[in-house]
Amino acid sequence: DTAVSQTPKYLVTQMGNDKSIKCEQNLGHDTMYWYKQDSKKFLKIMFSYNNKELIINETVPNRFSPKSPDKAHLNLHINSLELGDSAVYFCASSQSSYEQYFGPGTRLTVT
Amino acid sequence: QQQVKQSPQSLIVQKGGISIINCAYENTAFDYFPWYQQFPGKGPALLIAIRPDVSEKKEGRFTISFNKSAKQFSLHIMDSQPGDSATYFCAARGSGYSSASKIIFGSGTRLSIRP
Repeated sequence: DTAVSQTPKYLVTQMGNDKSIKCEQNLGHDTMYWYKQDSKKFLKIMFSYNNKELIINETVPNRFSPKSPDKAHLNLHINSLELGDSAVYFCASSQSSYEQYFGPGTRLTVT
Repeated sequence: QQQVKQSPQSLIVQKGGISIINCAYENTAFDYFPWYQQFPGKGPALLIAIRPDVSEKKEGRFTISFNKSAKQFSLHIMDSQPGDSATYFCAARGSGYSSASKIIFGSGTRLSIRP
């Protein structure tokens, strides 16, 4: 049973397009996150939702919009994609923000 | 502003040797210090974690040493094996029980174990 799943695993698109990444967790956790990992492997938090409420919103361009339809799902929509958006995006979940369980990642390539 | 500094960036160790990765932090309000292990093409996974009221924690071949006064902590991998080859991240969590507490990650160490 996959604890945190993401779709798609790979996403190749052109500049200016809009795309979405979906995440689901079956751990019963109340908090979910989006992280961005750049080409140097640096891992940085973007957003966090707790029971469908946005609680962490780092300095991220407005083109990125998270949405949590319920506490088991957290999606990330990206408008007007730019070359610099190319990265691996990880979804994670936790209970009380201690141990975080990461998904397998979505490798986004913008050409 | 990097609040958790990790070194070295990369490390090569012979099989059976000891791998040591170091981290330093600035914020004394951090209350939880985990280490994550990431294999290529996978998400990070929690390896071992420590609270600041403990100076050492050992789980199998993995040990965290924690020096609160120096604001430093390190991961030691004893009898390193080729299967330990991965990227390791130290991290620190802001204090409090709030779900809004963030985990700040170090920059990562790419560990390679030579057979």
